[in-house]
Amino acid sequence: GDSVTQMEGPVTLSEEAFLTINCTYTATGYPSLFWYVQYPGEGLQLLLKATKADDKGSNKGFEATYRKETTSFHLEKGSVQVSDSAVYFCALSAVGAQKLVFGQGTRLTINP
Amino acid sequence: KAGVTQTPRYLIKTRGQQVTLSCSPISGHRSVSWYQQTPGQGLQFLFEYFSETQRNKGNFPGRFSGRQFSNSRSEMNVSTLELGDSALYLCASSLAGTGNYGYTFGSGTRLTVV
Repeated sequence: GDSVTQMEGPVTLSEEAFLTINCTYTATGYPSLFWYVQYPGEGLQLLLKATKADDKGSNKGFEATYRKETTSFHLEKGSVQVSDSAVYFCALSAVGAQKLVFGQGTRLTINP
Repeated sequence: KAGVTQTPRYLIKTRGQQVTLSCSPISGHRSVSWYQQTPGQGLQFLFEYFSETQRNKGNFPGRFSGRQFSNSRSEMNVSTLELGDSALYLCASSLAGTGNYGYTFGSGTRLTVV
C-alpha cells in the first residue's frame, strides 16, 4: 500500500543553520505531496504542497521539490529560526484516495 | 473566511462510555475526513465523508463511526471507549477531498479515557 518514510528525529540545529528533512514515498501513479507542520497543542498547518512531478512547493522560506525519479519530497530551508521549532509531517494523497497518508513526523528544535 | 472548527477541544471520559466529536468545515467545502493521532501510531486515517456519503474508511473497529449532515458538518462517535482510544482527533476539510485541492485541519479534540 501507499506509504511515507521520513528521516527520524529529533533534529536539533542552531539558528541560521541549513535544514533538510528527508521524505520518500511509495505510491502508484502520481500522488499529491504535502508538508504539514504541527506546533505544540495545535492541529496541522499546511506548509507547502506539490501536485505533479518536478513541481516545487514553497512557503515561509521552506521549499520541497516533487522528484518522481527518486520518489522523494525533501523539505529544505536555508536559514532556520527558533520559531521553526515544531513537528514536521510529510504526507501523500494518492489519486482518487480521498485521504492523506502521513510519515511518522520529525521533531525539529532550533536553538538560539 | 472561518477555518475548520472542532468541538470540544478537550474531553475526559471513562472506559465504557461513548463520545461524540464535532467538526464544522470551511464554508463551501463538502469533504470532511477524520484522523487519529497518537504517540505510538502517529496519524491514522479514520474515514472521509463527501455530501453525506462515506467514501473511504480506515482500518478501525466498528466502535468508530461518523456521519455528515447536509450542511457538511460532521460528527464522529466512539462507543465503548477503551484506554487506547486516548488521542488527538483531527478533522480535515477539503473542497472535494482529493489531493490537488488540499486539506485544511482543525485544532483537534484531545480525548483522554480514564
